[in-house]
Amino acid sequence: DAGVTQSPTHLIKTRGQQVTLRCSPKSGHDTVSWYQQALGQGPQFIFQYYEEEERQRGNFPDRFSGHQFPNYSSELNVNALLLGDSALYLCASSGRIAGGETQYFGPGTRLLVL
Amino acid sequence: GEDVEQSLFLSVREGDSSVINCTYTDSSSTYLYWYKQEPGAGLQLLTYIFSNMDMKQDQRLTVLLNKKDKHLSLRIADTQTGDSAIYFCAEIPNSGYSTLTFGKGTMLLVSP
Repeated sequence: DAGVTQSPTHLIKTRGQQVTLRCSPKSGHDTVSWYQQALGQGPQFIFQYYEEEERQRGNFPDRFSGHQFPNYSSELNVNALLLGDSALYLCASSGRIAGGETQYFGPGTRLLVL
Repeated sequence: GEDVEQSLFLSVREGDSSVINCTYTDSSSTYLYWYKQEPGAGLQLLTYIFSNMDMKQDQRLTVLLNKKDKHLSLRIADTQTGDSAIYFCAEIPNSGYSTLTFGKGTMLLVSP
């Protein structure tokens, strides 16, 4: 059973560019959440997708947008990149199982903005 | 407001017990979690506890929950060098759809 997968593993962009990150959820999971983890910090919630709709959003600007596909995979898009967007971006999937909607994380995509 | 706090660093010797502490502010949180992050890696779910439980044991891990003080702890028995990592406490506030609020993490260093 494959866990949560993310691509790419690493990415280098320059300020002002746009980036798309991808996530495939764990088998049987229908909900995908995205988190940003800056160096030395805990992950911060960006948004969550369920049934192809954004169900909840954290305190992130509109430059951060996403999408969920019918197969439950998801994309995170960031426009007009800033230096401060450099971070580890984590995807988590969850479904209705014991422990509520317990979230399982992928290995992350490390984004560096120069 | 929603905030989770942890001590930043803990150092123990191999074979000793480790206790990592966490305080949270949302008294209506339904689930509380412990995740482990090794260098350069994603988050690994270690264990979770329902808010109506006081204790949960899972092999070398023991989670204690004090709802009155909003205090959560993770005890690792017989700590090994492979346990060296950053440990995150996280809660699901009652206000959200299973969106996790994390602490800043506790770095556990286990020396031989």
